[in-house]
Amino acid sequence: GAGVSQSPSNKVTEKGKDVELRCDPISGHTALYWYRQSLGQGLEFLIYFQGNSAPDKSGLPSDRFSAERTGGSVSTLTIQRTQQEDSAVYLCASSKSHLSSRGGGAQYFGPGTRLTVL
Amino acid sequence: EDQVTQSPEALRLQEGESSSLNCSYTVSGLRGLFWYRQDPGKGPEFLFTLYSAGEEKEKERLKATLTKKESFLHITAPKPEDSATYLCAVQAGAGNNRKLIWGLGTSLAVNP
Repeated sequence: GAGVSQSPSNKVTEKGKDVELRCDPISGHTALYWYRQSLGQGLEFLIYFQGNSAPDKSGLPSDRFSAERTGGSVSTLTIQRTQQEDSAVYLCASSKSHLSSRGGGAQYFGPGTRLTVL
Repeated sequence: EDQVTQSPEALRLQEGESSSLNCSYTVSGLRGLFWYRQDPGKGPEFLFTLYSAGEEKEKERLKATLTKKESFLHITAPKPEDSATYLCAVQAGAGNNRKLIWGLGTSLAVNP
């Protein structure tokens, strides 16, 4: 079946511009995560959606970052007034169940969006 | 503080040369430990979940084991296509505050 898809695969933007990154999770997966991965660094958790519950935004690095998930499916990560330090690969993942349930950590990742801020 | 440490950072093997990757953790309330493989330019690919000490999981040339302090990913007779970065993540905490804590990964290169 179809996996997690993300678009665009690459995005080059100028400092100060806004960008939107899209994630289509696996059908039927109730949990959706956004991560950021920089060269030489581990996966940095950004935000987590689970069903209709309020999202866990504890990983968002600043108020320039926001995300929404419409209809329990597609999610959009928005970065306003981009800065050079925002350059990274942004990864989206989905999982069948809530993080609090056994096995809820088995996440399935998309290919990522490589963001370059000039 | 919850922490996951992977070693070595990088490993180079000859084809057929078996070895092990290590993931050590200090977390409160371990709920599960996960191994992923990541190829360059791609997202991580889920491999295994381990829940309790003594548990083992196998897939082709890979076997993951878990103790109370660490996990090992054993690679038996590796092939060049096993070259990738292997990531370990731990699910910790209680209630709705459970989260995944990720290691930095081990970069594995298998030479033909």
